[in-house]
Amino acid sequence: GAVVSQHPSWVICKSGTSVKIECRSLDFQATTMFWYRQFPKQSLMLMATSNEGSKATYEQGVEKDKFLINHASLTLSTLTVTSAHPEDSSFYICSARDPTAYNEQFFGPGTRLTVL
Amino acid sequence: GQQVMQIPQYQHVQEGEDFTTYCNSSTTLSNIQWYKQRPGGHPVFLIQLVKSGEVKKQKRLTFQFGEAKKNSSLHITATQTTDVGTYFCASISGGSNYKLTFGKGTLLTVNP
Repeated sequence: GAVVSQHPSWVICKSGTSVKIECRSLDFQATTMFWYRQFPKQSLMLMATSNEGSKATYEQGVEKDKFLINHASLTLSTLTVTSAHPEDSSFYICSARDPTAYNEQFFGPGTRLTVL
Repeated sequence: GQQVMQIPQYQHVQEGEDFTTYCNSSTTLSNIQWYKQRPGGHPVFLIQLVKSGEVKKQKRLTFQFGEAKKNSSLHITATQTTDVGTYFCASISGGSNYKLTFGKGTLLTVNP
């Protein structure tokens, strides 16, 4: 199957700093990428849908000014957690839709963010 | 919005026993997908069902989509320790963005 990479795999930062997470589709072009957040022992919650060349669509309750998403190319989307606080600590996972693989989404390995 | 309810939340079995997780929706689903997430890992796509009454098999895994397309199940025959993980059902909402709505997942643990 298609491969999606995510970087970094984990990050620890101080409260108030910003953290950027990259999501790349390695062997296909992804017009649409998705960002999820997963708390321990919970399900994945969709944060936003990222479309190449346009503004991201955020889910209800997700602050767009806090979670900045940029989908600058067909293979790269970035999520920046601005002014991170301890409550932002979570597992952030991206996925990418391969338009040639009907409806299948390929998930990145995730980024574990810990805010001290 | 579209919601899928998944039960049970947890299931612990002895190796060799069978396991089933169920997903239900109050609305008709256009499709249902199943994912497996190993502890510390990320979700991995298992299968997609789109047809009413569809049944698909992958070795010891059997996936079913209800006749009314409102429920689905994943059944594992003779579980093995490698089956450990959380199994999620998910459904794609309508529209062009192909957003996935996940069930809460069922955590399967297998006692060797």
